[in-house]
Amino acid sequence: TQLLEQSPQFLSIQEGENLTVYCNSSSVFSSLQWYRQEPGEGPVLLVTVVTGGEVKKLKRLTFQFGDARKDSSLHITAAQPGDTGLYLCAGGRVTSGSRLTFGEGTQLTVNP
Amino acid sequence: DTGVSQNPRHKITKRGQNVTFRCDPISEHNRLYWYRQTLGQGPEFLTYFQNEAQLEKSRLLSDRFSAERPKGSFSTLEIQRTEQGDSAMYLCASSPASLGGWTSTDTQYFGPGTRLTVL
Repeated sequence: TQLLEQSPQFLSIQEGENLTVYCNSSSVFSSLQWYRQEPGEGPVLLVTVVTGGEVKKLKRLTFQFGDARKDSSLHITAAQPGDTGLYLCAGGRVTSGSRLTFGEGTQLTVNP
Repeated sequence: DTGVSQNPRHKITKRGQNVTFRCDPISEHNRLYWYRQTLGQGPEFLTYFQNEAQLEKSRLLSDRFSAERPKGSFSTLEIQRTEQGDSAMYLCASSPASLGGWTSTDTQYFGPGTRLTVL
């Protein structure tokens, strides 16, 4: 059972376009982390959000945690080819100990 | 570089053989995690350690899998009698969680992974 649903699964856009990736669950998470992963490498942490309604910005990336802490979004402005990669959201719960529950990921391709 | 390191990066083995992977966490991180990732999927939790104690194991971790962290520093993951279904990327992560318990801000930092191919 996939507790975190990411959409879209695949996204191919042109350089300069904007995009939004969604991460949804029916369950509440204590925290939510976004990672980016390149082929053959481990996930690299982008951001952690912990407060409902929280918005964090990282250059052209904007992350939002839903008010109810069940969903999150990642918005990229003016995408660049270097943004290409697999974007993963992962939720943590105090009741689940230390395990992270990952979504299936969104494969983003930014064409020059 | 003081990130999480994993060795080997790639392992090709024949079905039925045993394999062992090593993970060196970020120094002073007392929590260490193992995940498995198959193609097209997100990582799935296998097990985690607080110092040398293995505190949780997923049902994915069959009796052919064993993980250790004998001195609370590096960890090993062994797979006995490998099967083709074991082919995956095995990821290690570490976290600076306090001894007082997990909090919602305990971020996990991942290593580069070990890609296992079972022929």
